[in-house]
Amino acid sequence: DTGVSQNPRHKITKRGQNVTFRCDPISEHNRLYWYRQTLGQGPEFLTYFQNEAQLEKSRLLSDRFSAERPKGSFSTLEIQRTEQGDSAMYLCASSLDPGVLSTEAFFGQGTRLTVV
Amino acid sequence: DQQVKQNSPSLSVQEGRISILNCDYTNSMFDYFLWYKKYPAEGPTFLISISSIKDKNEDGRFTVFLNKSAKHLSLHIVPSQPGDSAVYFCAAFTGNQFYFGTGTSLTVIP
Repeated sequence: DTGVSQNPRHKITKRGQNVTFRCDPISEHNRLYWYRQTLGQGPEFLTYFQNEAQLEKSRLLSDRFSAERPKGSFSTLEIQRTEQGDSAMYLCASSLDPGVLSTEAFFGQGTRLTVV
Repeated sequence: DQQVKQNSPSLSVQEGRISILNCDYTNSMFDYFLWYKKYPAEGPTFLISISSIKDKNEDGRFTVFLNKSAKHLSLHIVPSQPGDSAVYFCAAFTGNQFYFGTGTSLTVIP
């Protein structure tokens, strides 16, 4: 296992189109997170899964965004009717269940979305 | 509401000297803190972490200090190397998500 994998690395789309990103977490990790990062900012939380269950969604995740994690393995993030404000780096991370002494999340290389 | 703050957007240090990156937080419920390193066009890479029940954690050239009463943590890199030049993000965890600061861009001058 080489870590968290995200595809595609880059996506350019026209405004109004739908896009879908994929994340393959580290295989033994049951938690999976989606974050978004824009220039000059730190990563911002979008949503997370515990196995296949989506347990929390940020208010940043408008109804145009949907995420799934079927069977608790890979995850997809879909953005419908993209807007220019959706342009950002979309990051996926995975981790084991949080513990008292260890709660590291490991990130993929991200998908850079540009909406033109 | 920025719960994790990195007030220095940039820092320059000579090679071989100490780099000190600072981070402040507001939520006393955070129970785990982390530092990530990020190169352009890549995802953050985990560097070092510390539980809220500790005040220091060391890993090679990297040491993280936690001062809970001041709600402050810092990352010390000794000695600094040119390859350490990157953006460093402080993060805090509670329950179900990680909260990130806005990052400090470290430049180590050869």
